[in-house]
Amino acid sequence: ETGVTQTPRHLVMGMTNKKSLKCEQHLGHNAMYWYKQSAKKPLELMFVYSLEERVENNSVPSRFSPECPNSSHLFLHLHTLQPEDSALYLCASSLGRGHPNEKLFFGSGTQLSVL
Amino acid sequence: GQNIDQPTEMTATEGAIVQINCTYQTSGFNGLFWYQQHAGEAPTFLSYNVLDGLEEKGRFSSFLSRSKGYSYLLLKELQMKDSASYLCAVREDRGYQKVTFGTGTKLQVIP
Repeated sequence: ETGVTQTPRHLVMGMTNKKSLKCEQHLGHNAMYWYKQSAKKPLELMFVYSLEERVENNSVPSRFSPECPNSSHLFLHLHTLQPEDSALYLCASSLGRGHPNEKLFFGSGTQLSVL
Repeated sequence: GQNIDQPTEMTATEGAIVQINCTYQTSGFNGLFWYQQHAGEAPTFLSYNVLDGLEEKGRFSSFLSRSKGYSYLLLKELQMKDSASYLCAVREDRGYQKVTFGTGTKLQVIP
């Protein structure tokens, strides 16, 4: 248990569907992240929220829409996805504010398949 | 930007020692992480280096040379449960964690 919980663990959706991924952290952290992990590719940073403000959008297509209502919750809203969007989506959190030796705590991820 | 290279796969024998190398090129360096990821699970933190030298933590050690853009993770007394992917990641400090990951090295430990 890392203190970061993601739901659902698995998701299959069609290209016309709308779905949301949820992430919750119980660590009192100030920063939350979405990463995409595809086979044989590095973890790709998608979005970063620091104190509920989006501070990084790493050129992610608009069919991915993040939401951070408070420092403990993070969502990724999905609509009109493509088959190449199939991947493991990982949420992470960290202390934030540039703490020394700060590290990321990851959730177990949502394995997404787009048909 | 960041460019991180590590071997794709390695195989080692139970009880042996294995060294996983990582080289990086970065425009702003503020530390290097190693994470372990078992198949189907979340990455978990192993080590962090920000100064040159060796950091030892039980069976795992990590080394950093900033001038060479080089790090390695050393695993001693290998166990079957060490079979996993090992991710090298470089951090830029922007007040939050801007962390860029390598592709990971898949380590298989054989009897």
